[in-house]
Amino acid sequence: GAVVSQHPSWVICKSGTSVKIECRSLDFQATTMFWYRQFPKQSLMLMATSNEGSKATYEQGVEKDKFLINHASLTLSTLTVTSAHPEDSSFYICSAQQGTSGRSGQFFGPGTRLTVL
Amino acid sequence: QKEVEQDPGPLSVPEGAIVSLNCTYSNSAFQYFMWYRQYSRKGPELLMYTYSSGNKEDGRFTAQVDKSSKYISLFIRDSQPSDSATYLCAMSANTDKLIFGTGTRLQVFP
Repeated sequence: GAVVSQHPSWVICKSGTSVKIECRSLDFQATTMFWYRQFPKQSLMLMATSNEGSKATYEQGVEKDKFLINHASLTLSTLTVTSAHPEDSSFYICSAQQGTSGRSGQFFGPGTRLTVL
Repeated sequence: QKEVEQDPGPLSVPEGAIVSLNCTYSNSAFQYFMWYRQYSRKGPELLMYTYSSGNKEDGRFTAQVDKSSKYISLFIRDSQPSDSATYLCAMSANTDKLIFGTGTRLQVFP
């Protein structure tokens, strides 16, 4: 149980284009999903917390107009990187929370590697 | 000072060794403690989850939490080459937000 999928697993795009990443909880409902980015040999940095049916909460320093998050259902959240630039190249990982609080732990997707040329 | 400190390693051990991984933290409000394993270019996998102080064992893995010292550990017995990965500690207060350590890279050689 507690499986989270991400699509695509990797994407290469040209500078200035937008990229959408999907995160799905496959066998449970997730009222809360999280989006992280990870640079090589570094830890996960939380970008935003996404609650189903409401606006995402962004961490300090994360541009909400650039990283659009939509959590339209209890099993799907999307992250859209708008007008991507090479500095946005990173490993993006989502997680889903099973239950209504951090007591249940978070389950992570396999990640999406974004390369912006 | 970071909220969570973790030695990045790498830690290199022979197969069969007992591995000890540790994190220290500064926020006394943390109550939930987790260990994740992350293989290269993959998402983290939840290994152990502990609430408050104490020990928890699952197969070859044992997690320990000492809240008085603000110190958590993960022990791996009879380590295998397949255990080679980066191990991340994570913790939270009574909120949804997880704070991660930087991860310790473990290499188990045959």
